[in-house]
Amino acid sequence: DTGVSQNPRHKITKRGQNVTFRCDPISEHNRLYWYRQTLGQGPEFLTYFQNEAQLEKSRLLSDRFSAERPKGSFSTLEIQRTEQGDSAMYLCASSSNPDENTGELFFGEGSRLTVL
Amino acid sequence: AQSVTQPDIHITVSEGASLELRCNYSYGATPYLFWYVQSPGQGLQLLLKYFSGDTLVQGIKGFEAEFKRSQSSFNLRKPSVHWSDAAEYFCAVGGQGGGFKTIFGAGTRLFVKA
Repeated sequence: DTGVSQNPRHKITKRGQNVTFRCDPISEHNRLYWYRQTLGQGPEFLTYFQNEAQLEKSRLLSDRFSAERPKGSFSTLEIQRTEQGDSAMYLCASSSNPDENTGELFFGEGSRLTVL
Repeated sequence: AQSVTQPDIHITVSEGASLELRCNYSYGATPYLFWYVQSPGQGLQLLLKYFSGDTLVQGIKGFEAEFKRSQSSFNLRKPSVHWSDAAEYFCAVGGQGGGFKTIFGAGTRLFVKA
C-alpha cells in the first residue's frame, strides 16, 4: 500500500503528558500537511511543509505544538503538556509537486487523540 | 480570507432519490474547488475538483458538481443515491498553484433511507 500512513491510530493520554504522531506521505509527494478535525467540524489547517521546509503555520498551532519533517520524507507532530481541548483527530495529507498538481490532497486515516 | 459554508449540517434522502449538497465559498482570486467524502473511520477521499474550463465537473461514484461564479457556489449532485453513499461530505477551496492551505467547510452528513 503506497497511501499516506499515520500512527498511532489512537492515543489516550492524561492531561499534561506529551504525545507524538507520525505521518508517512506518499513517497513521491513533496508537500505534507497537518490538519485537525473535531467532532462535527471540517478539517482545520495547522501547518504544511514543502520538502523539509515548514512554510506556514496556523494560529491554531500554539507554542505547545511542533511539527518537523527532517529529511523531507516522514513528519512528526508533537503536542507538549496536552490539554483536554487538544482531543481531536489529527489528519495528515500529502500532495505532489505544485507545478504538476491541481490541488488534490491525499489523506491518511488520521490519529485520534483523547486527553483525559 | 478564504471560507467555505455548507448550510446543511445533515440531509436525509431515500435510496434512489436525487441529491444536492450545497456549498458557498469566499475567495479573492480564481478558486480551486473540491468535494471530499469521509466514511466513518476513514480518511477523506476526493470526489471531484474544479480549477478551470467546463463549469460542470464529473467525479467518481456518479457525482457531479457545478461551479457558478456569480453565486459563489459549487453544489454537489447525484441523480440516484445508493445506501453506500451515506457519509460526511466536505466542500473545500484552495489557492491557484494547487494544494496550498486548502480550507474545508464544516461538512454535511448524508443519511440514506431504505
